[in-house]
Amino acid sequence: EAGVAQSPRYKIIEKRQSVAFWCNPISGHATLYWYQQILGQGPKLLIQFQNNGVVDDSQLPKDRFSAERLKGVDSTLKIQPAKLEDSAVYLCASSPLTTGQGAIYGYTFGSGTRLTVV
Amino acid sequence: DQQVKQNSPSLSVQEGRISILNCDYTNSMFDYFLWYKKYPAEGPTFLISISSIKDKNEDGRFTVFLNKSAKHLSLHIVPSQPGDSAVYFCAASAWTGNQFYFGTGTSLTVIP
Repeated sequence: EAGVAQSPRYKIIEKRQSVAFWCNPISGHATLYWYQQILGQGPKLLIQFQNNGVVDDSQLPKDRFSAERLKGVDSTLKIQPAKLEDSAVYLCASSPLTTGQGAIYGYTFGSGTRLTVV
Repeated sequence: DQQVKQNSPSLSVQEGRISILNCDYTNSMFDYFLWYKKYPAEGPTFLISISSIKDKNEDGRFTVFLNKSAKHLSLHIVPSQPGDSAVYFCAASAWTGNQFYFGTGTSLTVIP
């Protein structure tokens, strides 16, 4: 089975610019997660979807970050305007299970998008 | 508030010897614990898990031990191989929760 696809792999932007990341989860996976991993830290959950509905976005900085998952498949994460502290790897993950079960049995990560804000 | 902690940022081990990676957590609601392995420029991949009803889980060369009273878990790799060189993250979740909380990772280097 194909893995979780993310694009682009790398992105360099200036602060105050906008950027968007794309994720295509494993076919049939209902649950999708976006994580932010800052250098030297563990991944931190930004938002999770169950199909096309948001389950938890409590840690998403909503003044600048937005995400959507149209039709319960692909997802995009947008930052507008970007700040220097947004420099990180943005990881998308998916699971065939419900959100709670996915948190128990693990999920599959994509390779991530490395964002550098200068 | 770091609920999952990996206090050793790096570890070097000779090939064939045992690697022991440690992880501590603070939230007593955590029921499930996982270890992920991450190579450079790749996403984390699931390695092994353990639930709070067990104190040990083994999968080939990898064994995870859980000490609930100490809120501590460890991953043992025996024997260590150069291909095991990677960053290892422990993660914890609660049955009633929706997400994993990750530690900061330990970079393991296995020296041939």
